[in-house]
Amino acid sequence: SALTQPPSASGSPGQSVTISCTGTNSDIGGYNFVSWYQQYPGKAPKVMIYEVDKRPSGVPDRFSGSKAGYTASLTVSGLQPDDEAEYYCSSYAGSNTYLFGTGTTVTVL
Amino acid sequence: QVQLVESGGGLVKPGGSLRLSCVGSGFVFNDYHMGWIRQAPGKGLEWLSYISYSAGTIYYADSVKGRFTISRDNTRKSVYLQMNSLRVDDTAIYYCATQDKPNPPHHWGQGTQVTVSS
Repeated sequence: SALTQPPSASGSPGQSVTISCTGTNSDIGGYNFVSWYQQYPGKAPKVMIYEVDKRPSGVPDRFSGSKAGYTASLTVSGLQPDDEAEYYCSSYAGSNTYLFGTGTTVTVL
Repeated sequence: QVQLVESGGGLVKPGGSLRLSCVGSGFVFNDYHMGWIRQAPGKGLEWLSYISYSAGTIYYADSVKGRFTISRDNTRKSVYLQMNSLRVDDTAIYYCATQDKPNPPHHWGQGTQVTVSS
């Protein structure tokens, strides 16, 4: 089954928004292999965070990741209009399988 | 930079077959493990399959095990997904991606649409 994310999150420009991703001890809680993706409508997902808190080159440092227990979080600081998108988490779930989150729509007010 | 281009999608009847292809460029293809993921209309993402750089290790999600087959041809810088016994609920956009196990997918292609309908 999928990892649980809130359906929506919002913030004004310049503010911060944090998205949670809740799993179990068999996935997020058991491994430090959590990724976060940004997806615009009709486009492919783009990795924003990998291995819980690492940013690929080119991703602004306004994006940060963390994990506590079996919940991972993505924080977007200094919200900008083009941060408005769908965000998904993903985690290794053991036994050579992977889970994705249910997705969160971020709205910049 | 890493570029992945999928092709082979289309309209197929239930029970039919399709073979998806994904060509990589901008990186040393045979150094990378690869995966396939899909996204049903208006839905979230679902990981489907993984193949190691040498094709020596292959994994599938339970939802496609026995119906889908992943393969690769490093001389053509391509990875494939053979899909048999297709069902209506296989309708989705199918993405290929680089995947450095045990990390989830990393660089993604633009996707190819598969529609299963009578």
